[in-house]
Amino acid sequence: EPEVTQTPSHQVTQMGQEVILRCVPISNHLYFYWYRQILGQKVEFLVSFYNNEISEKSEIFDDQFSVERPDGSNFTLKIRSTKLEDSAMYFCASESASGRYQETQYFGPGTRLLVL
Amino acid sequence: AQKITQTQPGMFVQEKEAVTLDCTYDTSDQSYGLFWYKQPSSGEMIFLIYQGSYDEQNATEGRYSLNFQKARKSANLVISASQLGDSAMYFCAMRREYGNKLVFGAGTILRVKS
Repeated sequence: EPEVTQTPSHQVTQMGQEVILRCVPISNHLYFYWYRQILGQKVEFLVSFYNNEISEKSEIFDDQFSVERPDGSNFTLKIRSTKLEDSAMYFCASESASGRYQETQYFGPGTRLLVL
Repeated sequence: AQKITQTQPGMFVQEKEAVTLDCTYDTSDQSYGLFWYKQPSSGEMIFLIYQGSYDEQNATEGRYSLNFQKARKSANLVISASQLGDSAMYFCAMRREYGNKLVFGAGTILRVKS
């Protein structure tokens, strides 16, 4: 069964460093998402991406964050200068073509980011 | 604005019994989708079940069913015949008609006792 994959599973970085989190969505999916979950808290939406551009972003997704689909398979989240409060689990999700409210978003296993 | 409320921080259930996890939502939209996800201790998010606002029948997927009461704005998850492997965090989420993001509740931790 097709699944979303994410690398790395864990990343430790120093405050101020750049990190790139990678995702490979399900192959025929066209809508892509990043969410984050700070330890013990609810899952929060960061950004959605369709047709090579951001379709929606939250207030969390400030200038320190960017997303890219550098090729036909990868979808990346870059944090330019990490802060302590960026420590969280980051989930990538994808869904198929319609982008309608009935569509299910399938999540990857997550990248646990720790900023020291 | 959308809001999802899960009032049960934690629940216990005896193995093989049924359990209901509560979810209420707030939206002014007429069309919306409601989703439940399971998050085991390993951390991944697993999709369980979906209910559309216009669906007349309650959704069912194997041992999972959704008790959807639109007038009360509730979408409770019912797990029948609980298994030890059902021990996890369960999140209720909603998606608006226009827009892509899922809005999640705070989650309910379920522990299944043998």
